[in-house]
Amino acid sequence: ETGVTQSPTHLIKTRGQQVTLRCSSQSGHNTVSWYQQALGQGPQFIFQYYREEENGRGNFPPRFSGLQFPNYSSELNVNALELDDSALYLCASSFVDEQFFGPGTRLTVL
Amino acid sequence: GENVEQHPSTLSVQEGDSAVIKCTYSDSASNYFPWYKQELGKRPQLIIDIRSNVGEKKDQRIAVTLNKTAKHFSLHITETQPEDSAVYFCAASIGDYKLSFGAGTTVTVRA
Repeated sequence: ETGVTQSPTHLIKTRGQQVTLRCSSQSGHNTVSWYQQALGQGPQFIFQYYREEENGRGNFPPRFSGLQFPNYSSELNVNALELDDSALYLCASSFVDEQFFGPGTRLTVL
Repeated sequence: GENVEQHPSTLSVQEGDSAVIKCTYSDSASNYFPWYKQELGKRPQLIIDIRSNVGEKKDQRIAVTLNKTAKHFSLHITETQPEDSAVYFCAASIGDYKLSFGAGTTVTVRA
């Protein structure tokens, strides 16, 4: 198992609500990436943070936002939830090129 | 952007046989190619990776090959066991920035 943790494990929200997901990186890793994995698909890149700055973004709207803190933990915030946001949200921490994933947060939007 | 295609989508093999999964990528700048194994309800787990300066890498029953000219890379699993049953994803990236994943291959090892 990696040292990457995520909370909560599961979350149920209704359409229009806001959600915050949390990730604790593996010790010594200063880069965190967030991915969305819909059922039966590969993970899709949302964005990456390096030393508290956004370092790139995938094809996700601005209502997906993030933060990285000085201890390299991270948050993913999603506003105005839509039904299609239902997915497994994975964070991955890295130091060089290997990315190690957390267990994910399963978000269900009703 | 990078586009990674993965084949086959499903693969059923007899225990003890070999399994091969193939991926192609589009961005010649990609230099890091990891493979992840994901069991049902669990996180993707890095099982092997290869960098663009290497053509082949092996770790016990798992090997990966890379052909930069043709922009394709493959995962080889020998002597398959029931615990190898899972979904396997290939991915490509430039360093540790933005992994682009294939669609996944569901491997079933028949006892």
